[in-house]
Amino acid sequence: GAVVSQHPSRVICKSGTSVKIECRSLDFQATTMFWYRQFPKQSLMLMATSNEGSKATYEQGVEKDKFLINHASLTLSTLTVTSAHPEDSSFYICSAPSSGGATDTQYFGPGTRLTVL
Amino acid sequence: AQSVTQPDIHITVSEGASLELRCNYSYGATPYLFWYVQSPGQGLQLLLKYFSGDTLVQGIKGFEAEFKRSQSSFNLRKPSVHWSDAAEYFCAVGAGGTSYGKLTFGQGTILTVHP
Repeated sequence: GAVVSQHPSRVICKSGTSVKIECRSLDFQATTMFWYRQFPKQSLMLMATSNEGSKATYEQGVEKDKFLINHASLTLSTLTVTSAHPEDSSFYICSAPSSGGATDTQYFGPGTRLTVL
Repeated sequence: AQSVTQPDIHITVSEGASLELRCNYSYGATPYLFWYVQSPGQGLQLLLKYFSGDTLVQGIKGFEAEFKRSQSSFNLRKPSVHWSDAAEYFCAVGAGGTSYGKLTFGQGTILTVHP
């Protein structure tokens, strides 16, 4: 099946620094990708939709200036957590549909564990 | 707004026993329904999905789920659980139209399998 990768898998940073997380579709093109965050022992919450060639759309309550999303190509979306604070520590997961249809399967990356000290 | 409820946070079964994980959803139209499994260090893996047609859906690893519109449920079942099935399971509902691809997940059910 289709593969989505994320890099890094784990990152630890100091409070106030910015962290970039990459999401790549390895064997298919994705004009749209999705970013989720998962707090410990909780479910995945959709943060934003990443659109190739245009601005990302953010879910209600998600700060777009805090979580910068860039969809630079048909296989790469990046999430930058700016001026990270301990409350941003979480598991960040991206997903991409395998093609453009409404019933397509979403393929998920393995996730990135962010710890802000 | 759509929502998903998985009433059981943690379920423990013996290897070889049958399994049913519950999922109830709330959605105004015909939902797209999914079951995913998440193992430590691995990404979410799709077990099965329902979009339309036969309400009993077969998935990978011997799992199946039944869509019951009258009960707003999409419960996951397996007749005989294997130790390797221990993981966390998420039910999700997806929207169509301009919101396609956006998934709303349930809280997850952790499955423990005793030998």
